[in-house]
Amino acid sequence: SQQGEEDPQALSIQEGENATMNCSYKTSINNLQWYRQNSGRGLVHLILIRSNEREKHSGRLRVTLDTSKKSSSLLITASRAADTASYFCAPTTDANRLAFGKGNQVVVIP
Amino acid sequence: GAVVSQHPSRVICKSGTSVKIECRSLDFQATTMFWYRQFPKQSLMLMATSNEGSKATYEQGVEKDKFLINHASLTLSTLTVTSAHPEDSSFYICSASLQDFYGTQYFGPGTRLLVL
Repeated sequence: SQQGEEDPQALSIQEGENATMNCSYKTSINNLQWYRQNSGRGLVHLILIRSNEREKHSGRLRVTLDTSKKSSSLLITASRAADTASYFCAPTTDANRLAFGKGNQVVVIP
Repeated sequence: GAVVSQHPSRVICKSGTSVKIECRSLDFQATTMFWYRQFPKQSLMLMATSNEGSKATYEQGVEKDKFLINHASLTLSTLTVTSAHPEDSSFYICSASLQDFYGTQYFGPGTRLLVL
């Protein structure tokens, strides 16, 4: 199965700023999912974008998908200290198998 | 809804002993559960797919006799690390699939295993 590759791997921003992270993958996908992991905890499902969708919003999150470039981006607007976490993308070819990248470590400075 | 629990959250054991980790879907039935392993600052690596009432499907390189998986009911899967060694020390995370079209997975909080 393929893995997502997140970029940048580490990001440090001031509270209130926007955080953008990217994910690239290699083969065709059914959907792409983004998850958040707080230090030492399990993963929280953030958003799923289908291969025929180009953009999706959920609260302060905005996800884009460009299947021609095989890439996705996750934007967190008006970041908060509580957004400090690792963010993983999981391009999915099989509905039951998630292939996680190494993740983006985001630190939001109060 | 869609809450998954794991027990224990943290375990320390001596080398050579076996450790059982439980994964429960609290408010939904999960015919499929997944077990992942995560090293510090690394990605989650899928170890095996656990299907209720049948044998687990292990990923390449994962020893099925070392990591025993039992999915005896629609809400419980267990992972037993047999004859644990220090290199088995890791963060183990389970997830349960909602079986919707996209197979959305909900993750447990993880179990940190330290083998001395």
